[in-house]
Amino acid sequence: EAGVAQSPRYKIIEKRQSVAFWCNPISGHATLYWYQQILGQGPKLLIQFQNNGVVDDSQLPKDRFSAERLKGVDSTLKIQPAKLEDSAVYLCASSLNSNEKLFFGSGTQLSVL
Amino acid sequence: GENVEQHPSTLSVQEGDSAVIKCTYSDSASNYFPWYKQELGKRPQLIIDIRSNVGEKKDQRIAVTLNKTAKHFSLHITETQPEDSAVYFCAASGGSYIPTFGRGTSLIVHP
Repeated sequence: EAGVAQSPRYKIIEKRQSVAFWCNPISGHATLYWYQQILGQGPKLLIQFQNNGVVDDSQLPKDRFSAERLKGVDSTLKIQPAKLEDSAVYLCASSLNSNEKLFFGSGTQLSVL
Repeated sequence: GENVEQHPSTLSVQEGDSAVIKCTYSDSASNYFPWYKQELGKRPQLIIDIRSNVGEKKDQRIAVTLNKTAKHFSLHITETQPEDSAVYFCAASGGSYIPTFGRGTSLIVHP
């Protein structure tokens, strides 16, 4: 079974620039999550999709972050403009449905200089 | 929303000892409690999970216990080995279907 695919693996940008991350979940998984993990902390949910609808985006900084899940499969997360405090690992995860175990991608390590 | 507290933040044990990590949650509607292990530079991976209709679950050297009344659950690792060294995260979800993670416990097993 193929896992959750994420790209890019690493990204270095300067503040005020924009960046986009891509995620391809496990086939058939209805629920897709984007988490932000700052070094030394637990993953913090940014947005959760159920198929192509948003379940929760209460912790997504909507003035600079946006996300979409086209056709209920792939998803992209965008930051525009980036700030220094956005430096983190961005993890995509998927699950068969809500309240099921999460399968994580390898993450994108973002450094904002 | 759900709030998950995890303790301790760091746990150091000798090989062969047992390790216990504890988490508390705030939302009484939560009914799914997974534990994830994250090795350095790698993605979190599920090691064990429990649902609220069960009080305890065991898988070889790993066990999880759940006390719904007190709203806490614990991870128990027996006969620890150096390869158990990692960061362990608890999580809770249910009422809102949104998985909320604890801050993590760095487990160090000394040979």
